[in-house]
Formats: sequence, structure tokens, C-alpha cells
Amino acid sequence: EDQVTQSPEALRLQEGESSSLNCSYTVSGLRGLFWYRQDPGKGPEFLFTLYSAGEEKEKERLKATLTKKESFLHITAPKPEDSATYLCAVLGLTGGGNKLTFGTGTQLKVEL
Amino acid sequence: DTEVTQTPKHLVMGMTNKKSLKCEQHMGHRAMYWYKQKAKKPPELMFVYSYEKLSINESVPSRFSPECPNSSLLNLHLHALQPEDSALYLCASSPQLAASGANVLTFGAGSRLTVL
Repeated sequence: EDQVTQSPEALRLQEGESSSLNCSYTVSGLRGLFWYRQDPGKGPEFLFTLYSAGEEKEKERLKATLTKKESFLHITAPKPEDSATYLCAVLGLTGGGNKLTFGTGTQLKVEL
Repeated sequence: DTEVTQTPKHLVMGMTNKKSLKCEQHMGHRAMYWYKQKAKKPPELMFVYSYEKLSINESVPSRFSPECPNSSLLNLHLHALQPEDSALYLCASSPQLAASGANVLTFGAGSRLTVL
């Protein structure tokens, strides 16, 4: 069974204070690792897909990296508008390869 | 149009009511999904449709009945729900039902359901 564990559960940063969110995973035949951002009461918003160890992707203040066992979402000089829950999900061969397994998320709060 | 639209945004219903949640996308996606999300929990897959046919049912109770009238619409019919069914119900779509990282799910904003 695929598993995703995210840490920390919650993170409070000052504006401009860089940090990283962790996503540890076990999966049978990784087809993709996804990062989503979710604002309160809204649906998840797609950020990145990573396919293989060593891959990196960037978008504004966010950078996602992938190893064989974990992924990191690095946030550089965050702003209050980056406050959200960040969800990690993996797509493997479980269930025919059509079922995303989500982690419980990291709730990020960026303060002025 | 790169959106998934869900209606209603909020729904309050009694345990004896019958109601429906609706989802619409015009991105030409052929796979559509229903997820359930409780507070501070990850989304849980309920149903998946591929080319308007039910492909995956994650052992969801029969009080939830999905329907896919055409490739752009997805409904979730609700009947005799329990208070523990209160949650955010998310609709999503993707280009195909495929085991590929390129098959990114686009989520709607969700329907917040409260069962009294």
C-alpha cells in the first residue's frame, strides 16, 4: 500500500524566513509525485509534478525536489499570501495506477 | 476555460432529504472524480468516471450515488445521509484515467455539506 507522510504538521514563519516542507513516501512504481496548495474551504491547486529522483521544479518562491524516498518543498523568502496547506500526493501502481495517495498536509502560516 | 465548477458552494440537509451536488468542466477532460475531505484530513477518493462510465468505486455507501450524464458533467446524488457525512466534497477532472504523472487532476472549489 502506498503511503505518504508530511512534516511538520504546521509551520509558522516570519515573512522572508525561508524553510522547507518534507514529504516522505513509499510507493510501488512511482508514476509521479504531486504538490498541491489548498486554501481554507477551497479545492487543492496544482503546483508541481516530479517524476524521478534528482528532479527539481521551481515556481516563484517555491522549489520542489525529489529523492527516492522523499520530496522537499523549499519556500524562499515567503510572503503572507503563501499561507496555505501544502499537500503532497503520489501516484503509483496501486489500484491500477489511477489512485492518488495524499499526505495529511503541512499547514503553513506566514506572518508579517 | 481551465476550471472545474461545483454547485452549490454550501448545502445543509436533514437526514431524510434528497439533494444533489453538481460538477462541470469544459476542458475536454475524459476522467472525473469525487473526493471527500474532512477538516484537517487529506482528500479521500470516492468515485472515478472514465468516458462517462464508472471506473472506480472506493466502497462508498449506497446513500451516495454518482452520475455522469455526459463528458462535461458529474453529479453526486445524496439520500439518507448521516451527520458524519458532513464534509467538503471535491470534484476533479483530468485528461484521461491514466497511470501517468502527466495526468494532473484539476480540482473544483468544493461543496461544503452539513448534515443535521
